[in-house]
Amino acid sequence: QKEVEQDPGPLSVPEGAIVSLNCTYSNSAFQYFMWYRQYSRKGPELLMYTYSSGNKEDGRFTAQVDKSSKYISLFIRDSQPSDSATYLCAMDSSYKLIFGSGTRLLVRP
Amino acid sequence: EPEVTQTPSHQVTQMGQEVILRCVPISNHLYFYWYRQILGQKVEFLVSFYNNEISEKSEIFDDQFSVERPDGSNFTLKIRSTKLEDSAMYFCASSSPRGSNQPQHFGDGTRLSIL
Repeated sequence: QKEVEQDPGPLSVPEGAIVSLNCTYSNSAFQYFMWYRQYSRKGPELLMYTYSSGNKEDGRFTAQVDKSSKYISLFIRDSQPSDSATYLCAMDSSYKLIFGSGTRLLVRP
Repeated sequence: EPEVTQTPSHQVTQMGQEVILRCVPISNHLYFYWYRQILGQKVEFLVSFYNNEISEKSEIFDDQFSVERPDGSNFTLKIRSTKLEDSAMYFCASSSPRGSNQPQHFGDGTRLSIL
């Protein structure tokens, strides 16, 4: 079983839609969870950083962590064409990040 | 907003040659990292570095690889004798001095092409 699993997509939605991106993980030792956005030929850009189970909101973005199910989600409200990118989940394993494979999102105008 | 900068953006090197990738982490950060991303694959951890020594390294980070903080601002990754399979994007990251469990901030990477 892979440590972190993420559907690669692509996920195509119309502008204004609510987007749901998800990752599952197998290692219960993970305590910190991140979502990064990566545009083509750019580095990962930190979007959300969470520690405990529950929700964290920042503008149009909400990160959700369910440690009991080993499942994390990122919701994007009122999606915009500029949100088109690859979204990477990452888990902190003491001095290193373990990444999912990334979900490619396309928001159609 | 402070950012991690990497140079060069693209490096083309003959197989067997040495290459040095350079990074300037965010100025008050004390933890430094290198990751790589082979085209179409996930971002993979290579090495973490703190207090002038390696904290952790992956299986990928073999004897051909080394890291150094030659001065107060730069952090480098050296590949001694490059192989074709070293072709990838290499990302540098840094995190704040409060501990390793702080979010890591990434540069835009160096695309390494081995011919």
